[in-house]
Amino acid sequence: DIQMTQSPSSLSASVGDRVTITCRASQGISNYLAWFQQKPGKAPKSLIYAASSLQSGVPSRFSGSGSGTDFTLTISSLQPEDFATYYCQQYNNYPFTFGPGTKVDIK
Amino acid sequence: EVQLVESGGGLIQPGGSLRLSCAASGFSVSSNYMSWVRQAPGRGLEWVSILYSGGGTYYADSVKGRFTISRDNSKNTLYFQMNSLRAEDTALYYCVRGNWNNYFQYWGQGTLVTVSS
Repeated sequence: DIQMTQSPSSLSASVGDRVTITCRASQGISNYLAWFQQKPGKAPKSLIYAASSLQSGVPSRFSGSGSGTDFTLTISSLQPEDFATYYCQQYNNYPFTFGPGTKVDIK
Repeated sequence: EVQLVESGGGLIQPGGSLRLSCAASGFSVSSNYMSWVRQAPGRGLEWVSILYSGGGTYYADSVKGRFTISRDNSKNTLYFQMNSLRAEDTALYYCVRGNWNNYFQYWGQGTLVTVSS
């Protein structure tokens, strides 16, 4: 199975900060990488697919990049509604696997 | 508008069976990639199964041979037959719609399965 790791596991940031979350796959996955946002008690929400494609309706302050094994999710200017847990997921190989999540909270 | 409404969860004893349903509206389940993803209480996300528009199915090893994903095109509904349930299957089960390059685009609100004696 492909192992997905994320760093950091948690971070504290302020509104307006630029935030970067890193996701690494244990083997190459081309660009079959998605990012999700989950708030407490809510279903995950798709942000990015195919590593860098912005899901319809998602604010442009979110962006994704990377290919192969190393990927990043960047929030250019953190907003109050962005405090949540973020997961990456590979869908290149079965079983599709998620990273452990990165919790973004208020500094 | 795309909507996914899961149902069928509940409290079940180990070894028992449940069938989850995901009623879809705003699109056709037969033309999309449909998945089940679960989340144990306080834990991360785990992909469990996918049903492709062409009919192909895949499962996580943890459920292979015990769970079956299927669809009823006439009812526009996705199903998840869960047999031989174990305590470790306790989770919130999400129904997810996707397509050829955007596998996990829309998520339902989930249905809770609790396996306990």
